[in-house]
Amino acid sequence: SQQGEEDPQALSIQEGENATMNCSYKTSINNLQWYRQNSGRGLVHLILIRSNEREKHSGRLRVTLDTSKKSSSLLITASRAADTASYFCATDGLGDYKLSFGAGTTVTVRA
Amino acid sequence: KAGVTQTPRYLIKTRGQQVTLSCSPISGHRSVSWYQQTPGQGLQFLFEYFSETQRNKGNFPGRFSGRQFSNSRSEMNVSTLELGDSALYLCASKPGQGYHEQFFGPGTRLTVL
Repeated sequence: SQQGEEDPQALSIQEGENATMNCSYKTSINNLQWYRQNSGRGLVHLILIRSNEREKHSGRLRVTLDTSKKSSSLLITASRAADTASYFCATDGLGDYKLSFGAGTTVTVRA
Repeated sequence: KAGVTQTPRYLIKTRGQQVTLSCSPISGHRSVSWYQQTPGQGLQFLFEYFSETQRNKGNFPGRFSGRQFSNSRSEMNVSTLELGDSALYLCASKPGQGYHEQFFGPGTRLTVL
């Protein structure tokens, strides 16, 4: 079973708009990561936020983490057609040597 | 540096057969993990190896097994294939202790007929 859920399952936006997706998880975590997957290929790491951090930025990405609510959000600003992909949050538990993935959000950016 | 490579990229098997998938991690990476991705179950952790030792195993039947060699290359084996084993199998590597970001290969698409 998966660690958490992502919301929404799918998102369609116009190029230039912002995309926001949310992730909830169930157990205590060491950190939370976001990955992108294009068309059923390998995953690409986007950003990592540690359990003692509340917000992190990387280029057009902004991630927040609320450990009291066991939730995280990923914001992609000024979206581009190349951002069309599935986005997954993944939690890294305490010493269990694995990533537990959410169900993913499929983002479509329309030109 | 070359990325994570997986072979073969595509595979078609029939029920009851067995299959071996291979993963070569990024040079210097000692940890290799395997994940199964299906439309119904999403991304599920199979197992993780570090320095030839399995440190964690996911909730999969014993038909799924793996190993890691001294050069960090890893293989996973699925015996007595079932239709439900059709999936994208992803391998990921990272340097080892203290590292969290995983580097994924392109995956092996297994179809069981």
